[in-house]
Amino acid sequence: GAVVSQHPSRVICKSGTSVKIECRSLDFQATTMFWYRQFPKKSLMLMATSNEGSKATYEQGVEKDKFLINHASLTLSTLTVTSAHPEDSSFYICSATGTSGSFSYNEQFFGPGTRLTVL
Amino acid sequence: QKEVEQDPGPLSVPEGAIVSLNCTYSNSAFQYFMWYRQYSRKGPELLMYTYSSGNKEDGRFTAQVDKSSKYISLFIRDSQPSDSATYLCAMRDPNAGKSTFGDGTTLTVKP
Repeated sequence: GAVVSQHPSRVICKSGTSVKIECRSLDFQATTMFWYRQFPKKSLMLMATSNEGSKATYEQGVEKDKFLINHASLTLSTLTVTSAHPEDSSFYICSATGTSGSFSYNEQFFGPGTRLTVL
Repeated sequence: QKEVEQDPGPLSVPEGAIVSLNCTYSNSAFQYFMWYRQYSRKGPELLMYTYSSGNKEDGRFTAQVDKSSKYISLFIRDSQPSDSATYLCAMRDPNAGKSTFGDGTTLTVKP
């Protein structure tokens, strides 16, 4: 159990366009979702945390108008990179924790990641 | 100083070796301890989850937590080339909504 899917796995877009990445919890209720960014051979960098139905909390230095996060349901969160530029090219990974029935998870489960390339 | 310290390596071992990966931490409120494995260009995969101190074994993997020393370890027995990946430790304060991650140790197991 505790599977997180992410779509698309890879996207290439032109500079100035917006890109939406979806993250879904397949077999549990994702009460909290996280979005990370990772550069090659570098560690995970937390961008924001969102609780279902609430506004996301962004980490220091992350532009909330640039990276729009919506967590409208217990199984879906989206990250929209607005007016993408080449410096936004990166590997974006979502993660989630939550409940399955009466059981509460303490660990986070990760999606497979989305590789964004902005030309 | 980071809350969680993890030696980035890289660590290279021959096939069949016992691998020891470690993290230290400073926050005594951490109660949940995790190890993740991340292959190149993939999301991290949860390997082991431990609550408080003690040992947990799953196949070739053993996780150890020593809260008195604020030190956690992951042991891999009979290491295989397929174990080559980056290993991330993570820990969580029950009152916090998110886990704190180490920077990861890159492991290469050579045939």
